[in-house]
Amino acid sequence: EIVLTQSPGTLSLSPGERATLSCRASQSVSSSYLAWYQQKPGQAPRLLIYGASSRVTGLPDRFSGSGSGTDFTLTISRLEPEDFAVYYCQQYGSSPLTFGGGTKVEIK
Amino acid sequence: EVQVLESGGGLVQHGGSLRLSCAASGFTFSSYGMAWVRQAPGKGLEWVSGISGSGGTTDYADSVKGRFTISRDSSKNTLYLQMNSLRAEDTAIYYCANQQYSSSPFDPWGQGTLVTVSS
Repeated sequence: EIVLTQSPGTLSLSPGERATLSCRASQSVSSSYLAWYQQKPGQAPRLLIYGASSRVTGLPDRFSGSGSGTDFTLTISRLEPEDFAVYYCQQYGSSPLTFGGGTKVEIK
Repeated sequence: EVQVLESGGGLVQHGGSLRLSCAASGFTFSSYGMAWVRQAPGKGLEWVSGISGSGGTTDYADSVKGRFTISRDSSKNTLYLQMNSLRAEDTAIYYCANQQYSSSPFDPWGQGTLVTVSS
């Protein structure tokens, strides 16, 4: 099983600041089958990034994903008020599919 | 618009059974894989089970293997999760999600249905 470790657990930032979220895998993620999801309180998760770096249609370009192998990063270049949420990474290349524990981006 | 909508959650006693449903619309149901993911109160996400578009291939997390069964009915555009021998640790919001292929991310997700197992 591929274990995904996200850091930090909580990121306290102000609107306009840059957010850098890390996702580290216990073994290489095949073909960069790595996704990022955003979840707001009381809502279902929403897919943001797939294939490690591809944005879903309509996602603002302040969101970007990068990385390969075992180290992946989600960057939000300038935080908007609606970006404060919990973010999860997921590998979908090998069973069992696994999620990281999440990073909460909160308003400082 | 692609949509999935779960139902069937509720309160059940330890050792009991429950069947969740997920109604799909806006896409050719039989061409897409589907998955169930759960989230315990205040916790992170856990993949539970997946099924291919044809229904011929299924997969389960070790935590539910032998107790849960995923299935689909293409005539009704509906995905199911039969949950037996329920335990307190199965208490969670259960989401269904569209997973086009076995190596695809989950998109979109339903709004979820809450399952509470009482001891």
